[in-house]
Amino acid sequence: GENVEQHPSTLSVQEGDSAVIKCTYSDSASNYFPWYKQELGKRPQLIIDIRSNVGEKKDQRIAVTLNKTAKHFSLHITETQPEDSAVYFCAAYSGAGSYQLTFGKGTKLSVIP
Amino acid sequence: DAGVIQSPRHEVTEMGQEVTLRCKPISGHNSLFWYRQTMMRGLELLIYFNNNVPIDDSGMPEDRFSAKMPNASFSTLKIQPSEPRDSAVYFCASTLQNRENTGELFFGEGSRLTVL
Repeated sequence: GENVEQHPSTLSVQEGDSAVIKCTYSDSASNYFPWYKQELGKRPQLIIDIRSNVGEKKDQRIAVTLNKTAKHFSLHITETQPEDSAVYFCAAYSGAGSYQLTFGKGTKLSVIP
Repeated sequence: DAGVIQSPRHEVTEMGQEVTLRCKPISGHNSLFWYRQTMMRGLELLIYFNNNVPIDDSGMPEDRFSAKMPNASFSTLKIQPSEPRDSAVYFCASTLQNRENTGELFFGEGSRLTVL
């Protein structure tokens, strides 16, 4: 089955700096890679996703890049703000025989004002 | 749509008692997932249903856990008997998917279970 590794597990940045979270996956058939943000005590919510036919996708201050050859994808947050503080989860979806999302372990991002 | 609805939001029970968690997925979604979240293990997939049929229950910890989906708008996760190590937040999520593709996974608010 799919295996998703996520790094780092914790990340502290100064407000205004950039944050990068990286994930690798094992199943070359995976074709959908969402990122979820979970604020303290809340449910995970989708913030951005990318499908395997594109290499990069941007939405204001967040962007995701995908390298299918190397089987890794990354989340980039620029001009970080205190409200970006949360746990971020990457995930990979493989439709080949096991149509379910496999999540990484999460990255706790702290943005220091 | 009101989103994925879970109940109860909080449950405190004593070891050995039966616990039933409930979920109503978003109307029109064909896949439903139960996740357990703890600090130590993160988000773990327990079981998922596609068109009301259990597809993969390999994440269910042991026989004390069971899940049902009698129709497209309702699912339950039952723990009997409960143990302190079952304390966690249990999320239900739903989406619309087929073999090749999947849509956004929508999570419920979660059910926080504490077993004393």
